Amino acid sequence: AQTVTQSQPEMSVQEAETVTLSCTYDTSENNYYLFWYKQPPSRQMILVIRQEAYKQQNATENRFSVNFQKAAKSFSLKISDSQLGDTAMYFCAFMKYNQGGKLIFGQGTELSVKP
Amino acid sequence: GAVVSQHPSRVICKSGTSVKIECRSLDFQATTMFWYRQFPKQSLMLMATSNEGSKATYEQGVEKDKFLINHASLTLSTLTVTSAHPEDSSFYICSASRRDEQYFGPGTRLTVT
Repeated sequence: AQTVTQSQPEMSVQEAETVTLSCTYDTSENNYYLFWYKQPPSRQMILVIRQEAYKQQNATENRFSVNFQKAAKSFSLKISDSQLGDTAMYFCAFMKYNQGGKLIFGQGTELSVKP
Repeated sequence: GAVVSQHPSRVICKSGTSVKIECRSLDFQATTMFWYRQFPKQSLMLMATSNEGSKATYEQGVEKDKFLINHASLTLSTLTVTSAHPEDSSFYICSASRRDEQYFGPGTRLTVT
């Protein structure tokens, strides 16, 4: 069975600075996807970034980038130039390839961006 | 594109009554939808996988008779909480799958009094 672990329940960062959120996972699969989702106070889940396991290149989306270490089963999220609107819960998630979208979520990290 | 709606956004019901929550994919067809439950400051807990035209697959520990799921069409899945009790109060989120990506509804806050 797959598991996803986020070991940082809460983090804070000053506005404009950089923060890294950690995520590790356990799987015996070779093909899979990894995701970071953001859940702001509205509680709408928003996809931040997606990584296919077969791609060696780390995914980036504007200020968001990941450090994907397949052998170590690590998938951290770096947020650069943090903004107040980045304040939210962040969830790391795993999906097996071709499994119709079933996600396994980590426990979440509550990020506060301070002015 | 890829918008998922949920209705209602909030519902309050009395203990012992049933309540239905709808999940719709507005601009795409979803053969698979998922229902999650989330408690405050916690992660999403998958309750069941809903497949169009067939019975839902429930996760271990989820009562099938209490949480009835019907995936009547490629754009609509419903979750009915039967004989609701205060401990069923929670935030319920649905998602719809398209090409190995999930799109989430805005959630429904259920309060059972």
